[in-house]
Amino acid sequence: QQPVQSPQAVILREGEDAVINCSSSKALYSVHWYRQKHGEAPVFLMILLKGGEQKGHEKISASFNEKKQQSSLYLTASQLSYSGTYFCGTGEGGATNKLIFGTGTLLAVQP
Amino acid sequence: DGGITQSPKYLFRKEGQNVTLSCEQNLNHDAMYWYRQDPGQGLRLIYYSQIVNDFQKGDIAEGYSVSREKKESFPLTVTSAQKNPTAFYLCASSAGLAVLYEQFFGPGTRLTVL
Repeated sequence: QQPVQSPQAVILREGEDAVINCSSSKALYSVHWYRQKHGEAPVFLMILLKGGEQKGHEKISASFNEKKQQSSLYLTASQLSYSGTYFCGTGEGGATNKLIFGTGTLLAVQP
Repeated sequence: DGGITQSPKYLFRKEGQNVTLSCEQNLNHDAMYWYRQDPGQGLRLIYYSQIVNDFQKGDIAEGYSVSREKKESFPLTVTSAQKNPTAFYLCASSAGLAVLYEQFFGPGTRLTVL
């Protein structure tokens, strides 16, 4: 079952902050975050592992709450280049070596 | 430069024809994946392979087939059994287990069945 992402879409002005959430009904070993520009390939942002710490990447960071099976992506002081669709991919670990991707969150940053 | 190539970028086929999508990587990655992307549905896994000559079905394998005869190549065949093949197809690879390693994606092939 696909993880649920919220919100489905968000519009920001440059410099504003945003939070994108990813929630699964299953126990997770890892959460991956990707960004995809329209018509292009998804690009990796970060991986969060069970038992790991909150990750950061410039002004983009993420957290992983294993008990709640949730992850959040934080975009601070957004830039025009942040526009795109953000996907989380969840990994359950064990014998199933695959990611299940959410349906995506469309982020539009306006000048 | 290392990366993943997919060809062609756009593909048109008549209904009932089989079509093969190419995926090549020179990253020396063991694992490769095929995803289908439809509007509003994110990425759905079709097939994946962790090693040469071995592959597993993903969540939507019906109507598709793959082969992994070489480490660098993982072609996907969309057969006439696939009921709704028009979609954007993405190939990806990773250095190891999907749950632990980032996936590198190719530019995609947009397939339209007329």
